Amino acid sequence: GAVVSQHPSRVICKSGTSVKIECRSLDFQATTMFWYRQFPKQSLMLMATSNEGSKATYEQGVEKDKFLINHASLTLSTLTVTSAHPEDSSFYICSARQSLRDTQYFGPGTRLTVL
Amino acid sequence: SQQGEEDPQALSIQEGENATMNCSYKTSINNLQWYRQNSGRGLVHLILIRSNEREKHSGRLRVTLDTSKKSSSLLITASRAADTASYFCATDAGPNFGNEKLTFGTGTRLTIIP
Repeated sequence: GAVVSQHPSRVICKSGTSVKIECRSLDFQATTMFWYRQFPKQSLMLMATSNEGSKATYEQGVEKDKFLINHASLTLSTLTVTSAHPEDSSFYICSARQSLRDTQYFGPGTRLTVL
Repeated sequence: SQQGEEDPQALSIQEGENATMNCSYKTSINNLQWYRQNSGRGLVHLILIRSNEREKHSGRLRVTLDTSKKSSSLLITASRAADTASYFCATDAGPNFGNEKLTFGTGTRLTIIP
């Protein structure tokens, strides 16, 4: 089946630093990847939609300069949280879509803690 | 907000019993999907039901969809301890038939008591 990985699974950083999270589709080509954010015991909120080779489309209220998304290849998208602050601490989940299928496949998530 | 709601928010049942979760949404949809999330983990896709379908089965799962009421239900029969997780519905209302942006419900935390 389709597998999506994320790296790292867990990261702790100091306030003011930048953190990069990778999302990879391991056995399929993903023309579209999605980035979600999930606060404890809450639902997933879509942050942005990333299409290979083009700029990401951000949801309303998501700062594009703070959450930099790069989808440089059909198997890799990265989310960089720039100048992270404690309020950015959250669970970040990516998903990838095979262009000809109906299901998004989700990664295992990355737990970001900003001290 | 387009986010759907699920009820109950939390459900605890004895192992072997059936668990039913409900999801309501606000806009017209192309399809509705159910996902499971174990604590602190990613999402696992369970089942997809299209807007022109009314019921779908997969193993111990049964999903119904009532587009007139904008609601769906997920039934897990003969529950097992391993079913303990949070369950989310997600709707796809994109302009193209397929998987556009997903809008997730608030989730139901299911606990199966051994």
